[in-house]
Order: sequence, then structure tokens, then C-alpha cells
Amino acid sequence: ELKVEQNPLFLSMQEGKNYTIYCNYSTTSDRLYWYRQDPGKSLESLFVLLSNGAVKQEGRLMASLDTKARLSTLHITAAVHDLSATYFCAALPMNRDDKIIFGKGTRLHILP
Amino acid sequence: DSGVTQTPKHLITATGQRVTLRCSPRSGDLSVYWYQQSLDQGLQFLIQYYNGEERAKGNILERFSAQQFPDLHSELNLSSLELGDSALYFCASSTQGLPYEQYFGPGTRLTVT
Repeated sequence: ELKVEQNPLFLSMQEGKNYTIYCNYSTTSDRLYWYRQDPGKSLESLFVLLSNGAVKQEGRLMASLDTKARLSTLHITAAVHDLSATYFCAALPMNRDDKIIFGKGTRLHILP
Repeated sequence: DSGVTQTPKHLITATGQRVTLRCSPRSGDLSVYWYQQSLDQGLQFLIQYYNGEERAKGNILERFSAQQFPDLHSELNLSSLELGDSALYFCASSTQGLPYEQYFGPGTRLTVT
């Protein structure tokens, strides 16, 4: 069964710094998702990564996928307070049982 | 605004009761997914419907059931409610059977007292 682990689960960082959230998954997957959730709000799709080596960027966020290492990263460049949120990664197993598995989420707090 | 609507926004009910949560997907989306988010269990996939048929089943309890209607809206029925069922229930939709980008609704916050 596919398991998705994120780390760290909590991250407090200063504005202007760079940091990376890691998402490891346990079995083969070719579809990796990143979502953002603000407190009390719904989830917003950030990135969908479909192939090994895929890299996508939006503003200060960049996501990448290494299917051989079963690892996706979400890199934050020069963090700003508005990026404070909880970030989830999720994976879909290649056996196509279509059960999307979410990580526990990384609560990111960016200090001004 | 994702285009996915959910009603009601909040629901407070007693143990043992039954409730129905409703979801309307984005126009043109054929797939509907239901998720439960609680503090202790995190975000759990419950069930997916594609064009009216059950496509995938996750950690959905037997007390829970869902269906997707011909107009593609979906309902999640929760019965014999327990305190532990208190959670945020999200619906999401996507255009295809295999989820590419999912669009999440605002959620229904269920409180069981």
C-alpha cells in the first residue's frame, strides 16, 4: 500500500530565506500532487507532476519529482509571509486503484 | 473560487443521526471525489465517482455511502453518526477519471454532539 511521508511537519522560517519540503512515497507512482491549504479554507492545487525529472515553478514555489528516488520536493525561494499555509503532497499509485494518498501536511509559518 | 460548490457549509447534529452532504462539480467535470479531514486522521480519500459510477473507494466506513446523479452532482450520506465523524468533508472534481488537477470545494464542517 502506498504511503506518503512529508517532512518537516512544522516549519517556522524567516522571510527572505529559502527552504525545501520533502515528500517521500513508498511505492511506484507517476502522479504527484502538491496542494496548499490556508487555515479554515479548502485546498488549492499548486502542481501536478507526471514524470521523472518534472519541474514546475509558480512564483516563489518550485516543485520537482524524482520517481527513481520516490521523492518530490517543494522549494520555497525568498519566502514571504503570504506563503504561510499548510502544504500537502499526495500521490496516486501506478497500480491504478485510484486511491490518492495524502501526506500529513507541512505547516509553514513565515515570520516577518 | 474553484467552481465546486458544497452545501451546507456547517452542520451540527447529534450522535446516531443521519445527514446528507451535497456537492456540485465544476461545469464539465465528470469525476467527483469525497475527502474527510480531521485533526487525528489528516486528509483521507473516501470515494470517487466518475460519470455516475463508483470509480474508486478509499477509507469509507460502511455507515457512509455516496452516489452521483445524472446531472453529476453528488451526495455523501453519513448515518449512525458518532462523535469521531466530526470533521471537514471536502468534495473535489476533475475532468477525467484519472485525477489530473482536482478542484476542491469549500467543504462542509460537520460537528456531531
